Amino acid sequence: DAGITQSPRHKVTETGTPVTLRCHQTENHRYMYWYRQDPGHGLRLIHYSYGVKDTDKGEVSDGYSVSRSKTEDFLLTLESATSSQTSVYFCAISDPGTGRRETQYFGPGTRLLVL
Amino acid sequence: AQSVTQLDSQVPVFEEAPVELRCNYSSSVSVYLFWYVQYPNQGLQLLLKYLSGSTLVKGINGFEAEFNKSQTSFHLRKPSVHISDTAEYFCAVSEAGGYNKLIFGAGTRLAVHP
Repeated sequence: DAGITQSPRHKVTETGTPVTLRCHQTENHRYMYWYRQDPGHGLRLIHYSYGVKDTDKGEVSDGYSVSRSKTEDFLLTLESATSSQTSVYFCAISDPGTGRRETQYFGPGTRLLVL
Repeated sequence: AQSVTQLDSQVPVFEEAPVELRCNYSSSVSVYLFWYVQYPNQGLQLLLKYLSGSTLVKGINGFEAEFNKSQTSFHLRKPSVHISDTAEYFCAVSEAGGYNKLIFGAGTRLAVHP
């Protein structure tokens, strides 16, 4: 798993509550990404980071925010969870300081259920 | 913007038979192409990638793919499948030289039967 952990691995929450998912890497990769996986859609990019405090939106960013205060951690926050955000969330990393960012390595995922 | 179409949502096949999983993409810029595999309840693992050069790319577990620019395709093949190849396979594309934001297809579920 390329030194990537995600926490929690499973979470059940209620509509309207804030939720934060954490991605932690031990590989010192510069780029980090958050995707969500839904049946029939494959994976879709939510947000990504190209360095500490440098983040940008992906294709499905509405309702999500991110923060990266240090290289190893990338946090995804659902500001007010909705049932449409029930999904499996994957973190990925790339670019081990070589400038080669083509290959992404994925974490084990977090299953989120919003009731 | 790029997009990816995986033409088959499910592919059933018998063990030791050959298999091809089809992937077409669209893009107005140069792209990198990838195939990832996902086993049940796991993350994604890179099978192979095309960045440039030879259009026939070999990956792990005996898989290979061929980049066809004129047909905008990147089909995945294996000459003889095993039960252990049962998984979901995702084709993905990113803009060459960009931030490597991956655009995924919807996935193909490969079911290998004895």
